[in-house]
Amino acid sequence: KNEVEQSPQNLTAQEGEFITINCSYSVGISALHWLQQHPGGGIVSLFMLSSGKKKHGRLIATINIQEKHSSLHITASHPRDSAVYICAVGHYGGSQGNLIFGKGTKLSVKP
Amino acid sequence: DTEVTQTPKHLVMGMTNKKSLKCEQHMGHRAMYWYKQKAKKPPELMFVYSYEKLSINESVPSRFSPECPNSSLLNLHLHALQPEDSALYLCASSQDLGSNQPQHFGDGTRLSIL
Repeated sequence: KNEVEQSPQNLTAQEGEFITINCSYSVGISALHWLQQHPGGGIVSLFMLSSGKKKHGRLIATINIQEKHSSLHITASHPRDSAVYICAVGHYGGSQGNLIFGKGTKLSVKP
Repeated sequence: DTEVTQTPKHLVMGMTNKKSLKCEQHMGHRAMYWYKQKAKKPPELMFVYSYEKLSINESVPSRFSPECPNSSLLNLHLHALQPEDSALYLCASSQDLGSNQPQHFGDGTRLSIL
């Protein structure tokens, strides 16, 4: 079993829909990261959180430490949101700086 | 525009060639990372530098040789690579070493080994 599991693996939505991507992990963490990777390859760090909720524009990330679960929400989705969204956790007891990555969720938003 | 700059964006090389990938950041970050990413897979950590010293080597074959000439630059020297080394190579940096630090990624170098 992977230490970081994301669901769904693939997601297709219509423009304007509310989107949720889930991440569950099985290790003790120092922080959880949400990353966005566009088809060109570059990765953008969206959020880093260790508790509660963060919001940036149309993106909202939440984490429940007790349940070892995080969600990334996109409100009023747009075709430019199409990308792979990756959840990664910083593991207590792991190599410093080493992140454990989920396999990613590929999101396609249709106009 | 990304704050971490990687060159070249694309590289095609033969198995006997020697080439280098370059990464540069001017954010004053003290930790820099090399990742390898195969298609449809998450990034895999290769090396981590902290204050210009190699901190982590994730059992990477010696045909990959990292170098950190100064706090802003990170190189990855390539020699005698194999076709399975074809991948996207990503550089990242963070303020300090630690998995609770946000990492800033470059756009990557797409490497093809003939």
